Amino acid sequence: QSALTQPPSASGSPGQSVTISCTGTSSDVGGYNYVSWYQQHPGKAPKLIIYEVSERPSGVPDRFSGSKSGNTASLTVSGLQAEDEADYYCSSYAGSKHGVFGGGTKLTVL
Amino acid sequence: EVQLVESGGGLVQPGGSLRLSCVASGFTFSRHWMTWVRQAPGKGLECVAITSPDGSERCYLDSVKGRFTVSRDNDQNSLYLQMNSLRVEDTAVYYCARIEWGSFNIWGQGTMVTFSS
Repeated sequence: QSALTQPPSASGSPGQSVTISCTGTSSDVGGYNYVSWYQQHPGKAPKLIIYEVSERPSGVPDRFSGSKSGNTASLTVSGLQAEDEADYYCSSYAGSKHGVFGGGTKLTVL
Repeated sequence: EVQLVESGGGLVQPGGSLRLSCVASGFTFSRHWMTWVRQAPGKGLECVAITSPDGSERCYLDSVKGRFTVSRDNDQNSLYLQMNSLRVEDTAVYYCARIEWGSFNIWGQGTMVTFSS
């Protein structure tokens, strides 16, 4: 069982918006502004798309946005495109446990 | 180009040992916390071991404590994971990653550890 809880799947049609949640506790998501999100295509390494809750690394489209409320973080993908179909993982700093991950969400573009 | 390249994975028998290596380039390796993250087939990501920039601080996933050791050679821009007493449940792709802003912002391509019967 993963430390952070994500829905196993999400879907949307091209052009729509989809939001993926990531629920933790006050010891991880709720306690620090170090939530990050990763995109992983099949057979590839994960890629950082959001860090520090809502910051985007250079080169990541602004269609990807992050937020947090209490112990739950969220990733929103706006204007869905076919290439957004991938697995998405959240992660949070958790003090002495350092990095903990969610179980991952498979995003399907219909 | 900022890059991490892992090596050392392979086929191993239960109870055996492997040493994974990760060579960094394109950034000042000695300034960064580094980590090994693994992914079992069809499963999610799991942070196995983390080390501080000078190697003095290390922490491990509970299930690998006492069996795995993370180390680094800053002169060689290299990160290592010594894995002993390997178990079938250690089967995974092992990635090294750079830690920055509380996130894993650079990843290697991964190296696979599998078991022979």
